Amino acid sequence: AQRVTQPEKLLSVFKGAPVELKCNYSYSGSPELFWYVQYSRQRLQLLLRHISRESIKGFTADLNKGETSFHLKKPFAQEEDSAMYYCALREANTGFQKLVFGTGTRLLVSP
Amino acid sequence: DVKVTQSSRYLVKRTGEKVFLECVQDMDHENMFWYRQDPGLGLRLIYFSYDVKMKEKGDIPEGYSVSREKKERFSLILESASTNQTSMYLCASSFSGIGGAFFGQGTRLTVV
Repeated sequence: AQRVTQPEKLLSVFKGAPVELKCNYSYSGSPELFWYVQYSRQRLQLLLRHISRESIKGFTADLNKGETSFHLKKPFAQEEDSAMYYCALREANTGFQKLVFGTGTRLLVSP
Repeated sequence: DVKVTQSSRYLVKRTGEKVFLECVQDMDHENMFWYRQDPGLGLRLIYFSYDVKMKEKGDIPEGYSVSREKKERFSLILESASTNQTSMYLCASSFSGIGGAFFGQGTRLTVV
């Protein structure tokens, strides 16, 4: 079974500090990992996915299959990064597209 | 822009009522999903569909059913609403095999 674990419910940092939001997964197959973000009063939206290996809004995430992790990082946090962040997993390379989410981490960036 | 539209932002229903939540997407996506979002529990998958008339149970299907008669529309049905079904319900859609999922704005359902 697929499982995604986000151990921190709340992460509070000051503006300009580095940020790391943790995500660990459990899955026996070949996973595809995502980070989604939900800003206040907005709909949930895709932030980035491991396949594209891109940086979005200064955030990066690397899939570490040995540690089964997909942590989200940003070197210098901004106040506008304050939001709810969800890590998600689905099985890659198949037509079975079940998408499973973690419990989320609220990031609060203070001035 | 991809649009996933949920028919209501807020609903208040009475215990025992049959409730329909509707979701429409305009991008010809094969997959559609229904989640409920609760504080501290994240997004939990109720049902998903990978094609018209096809459905799969998610992690918490009890008390819910779904219908997908057309590719663009995915309905969530609460057969007999109960107070523990008070929640935010999110619909999403995606292509098979590529890209992420796109979400609707959510429906906050209160069962009294």
